[in-house]
Amino acid sequence: QLQLQESGPGLVKPSETLSLTCTVSGGSISNSNSYWAWIRQPPGKGLEWIGGIHDGGNTYYNPSLKSRVTISADMSKNQFSLKLSSVTAADTAVYFCAKHGLWLTLLAHWGQGILVTVSS
Amino acid sequence: EIVMTQSPLSLPVTPGEPASISCRSSHSLLHSNGYTYLDWYLQKPGEPPQLLMYLISNRASGVPDRFSGSGSGTDFTLKISRVEAEDVGVYYCMQGVQTLSTFGQGTKLEIK
Repeated sequence: QLQLQESGPGLVKPSETLSLTCTVSGGSISNSNSYWAWIRQPPGKGLEWIGGIHDGGNTYYNPSLKSRVTISADMSKNQFSLKLSSVTAADTAVYFCAKHGLWLTLLAHWGQGILVTVSS
Repeated sequence: EIVMTQSPLSLPVTPGEPASISCRSSHSLLHSNGYTYLDWYLQKPGEPPQLLMYLISNRASGVPDRFSGSGSGTDFTLKISRVEAEDVGVYYCMQGVQTLSTFGQGTKLEIK
């Protein structure tokens, strides 16, 4: 059974870079022919798709975050990562990693989420 | 960006009664390949969202048949034929027809 697990610091200072990793088990990122995504949810609010990376290396980003976001993958470790630069309090959220099952939809597999707080 | 608008935002329902949630998109979700990329998710407190429906009306694995999805183009509906206590949570529609996936604001279903 495919499982995803987010990891990284739970506290980031303003203006610094948020870095998270999603470790995939029970399946492989490589040769999946799928997009692997990051999605976030500010406390008490709705869901925002941040972006996704294909196992072939192609990436798509939310234009509202594109200048600050990088999503990459390490196939040897079966992980993909999120970097979000120049963070502010508005970036405080639960960050989820997930796997798209069909183009950029069908999110059948999610990590449990990790709360990242931006504060000095 | 395709904007997804859900209604109602709050939905109190008596157990055993039906419920319906509307989702409208600012642009058609019909892709040139013939697929309409519209999903429904349920998020229970403290949990990640769980997939309920994909491609408008296909139930995800393990989803009870009291859930059904319908619609086309820009207008979609999720229906629950008989609400049960375990159905409480926030329901989101999501589109993925473009290279930016977007979610609706969410509809909070609660038991009366």
